[in-house]
Amino acid sequence: GENVEQHPSTLSVQEGDSAVIKCTYSDSASNYFPWYKQELGKRPQLIIDIRSNVGEKKDQRIAVTLNKTAKHFSLHITETQPEDSAVYFCAASIGNNLFFGTGTRLTVIP
Amino acid sequence: EAEVAQSPRYKITEKSQAVAFWCDPISGHATLYWYRQILGQGPELLVQFQDESVVDDSQLPKDRFSAERLKGVDSTLKIQPAELGDSAMYLCASSLFGLNNEQFFGPGTRLTVL
Repeated sequence: GENVEQHPSTLSVQEGDSAVIKCTYSDSASNYFPWYKQELGKRPQLIIDIRSNVGEKKDQRIAVTLNKTAKHFSLHITETQPEDSAVYFCAASIGNNLFFGTGTRLTVIP
Repeated sequence: EAEVAQSPRYKITEKSQAVAFWCDPISGHATLYWYRQILGQGPELLVQFQDESVVDDSQLPKDRFSAERLKGVDSTLKIQPAELGDSAMYLCASSLFGLNNEQFFGPGTRLTVL
């Protein structure tokens, strides 16, 4: 099956700074890469996703980049705000199945 | 906005007891997933349904876990008997179509086995 590694496990940034979370995957057949945000005690929610035929996608302060050759993808959050504090999960899809990373706890310090 | 519903939200049980969790996906979503999320880790797929059929249950511990989606709508996940190591969050998700489509998650059932 797919193996998704995610780094760092924890990340603290000052409000207004940028945050970057990186993931690698093992199976070149993976073709869909979503990112989920999970606030404490709440359900995971999709914040952005990218498909294998695209190298970069942006949505306001959030962007995702994909390097298929190197099998890695990254989440970029600019101008971070305290409400961005949460656990972020990357995932890679093979067929119908999603394989999740172990999560990054992001803390934005006001 | 339609959401995936799950119940109960919390369940405390003693080991060797039976527990059951219920999930109602977003209306019209053909694909339903059950995940287990251990504290500090990402969700891990247990079973996937396409309508009423099991598509993938390769990670489901079938000696004690069972899942059904008899009418292709809501679903039940059962554990019998529960073990201490089953303590986790059990998440249900659904998607309109299975392949590479956004999965919408329910609030989860937090299981504690004593």
